[in-house]
Amino acid sequence: GENVEQHPSTLSVQEGDSAVIKCTYSDSASNYFPWYKQELGKGPQLIIDIRSNVGEKKDQRIAVTLNKTAKHFSLHITETQPEDSAVYFCAANDYKLSFGAGTTVTVRA
Amino acid sequence: DAGVTQSPTHLIKTRGQHVTLRCSPISGHKSVSWYQQVLGQGPQFIFQYYEKEERGRGNFPDRFSARQFPNYSSELNVNALLLGDSALYLCASSFLAEETQYFGPGTRLLVL
Repeated sequence: GENVEQHPSTLSVQEGDSAVIKCTYSDSASNYFPWYKQELGKGPQLIIDIRSNVGEKKDQRIAVTLNKTAKHFSLHITETQPEDSAVYFCAANDYKLSFGAGTTVTVRA
Repeated sequence: DAGVTQSPTHLIKTRGQHVTLRCSPISGHKSVSWYQQVLGQGPQFIFQYYEKEERGRGNFPDRFSARQFPNYSSELNVNALLLGDSALYLCASSFLAEETQYFGPGTRLLVL
């Protein structure tokens, strides 16, 4: 099955700085890579996703890059704001989502 | 538009009991997946149903079962509850089985 590793486990950034979270996956058949944001007491919320035929995707302050050869993908958040503080999960999909362990992001005001 | 809804929101059971969790997908979505999220970890895949058929099963014991109804809602059943079953149970829906999954708020289960 798919194995997804996520780093770092915690990330503290100053408001306005950038945050980067990296994930690696094991199954070369995976072709869909979503990122979810989970706030305390809530279910995961999809923030951006990328498919294997695309190398990079951007949505306002959020971007994701994918390197299929190296089997890694990354989330980039620019101009961080306090409301970006949450736990972020990467995932990879063969026919089911396999999640990383999560990154707790804290944005310091 | 209504998102994925789950009931109940919280549940307390004792060891050995049985529990049924319910999920209503986003209108028009035909696939429902169930995940278990233990505190401090990422969600773990339990089941996926598409058009009322089981499409995938994760590494969970036979105490876990699920079904999908003609209106695409779903139930997750867990028998003979163990302390280790305490977790947030998440339901996600998608239009097709391999499309983007949208999660509900979850049901928090505590087994005493």
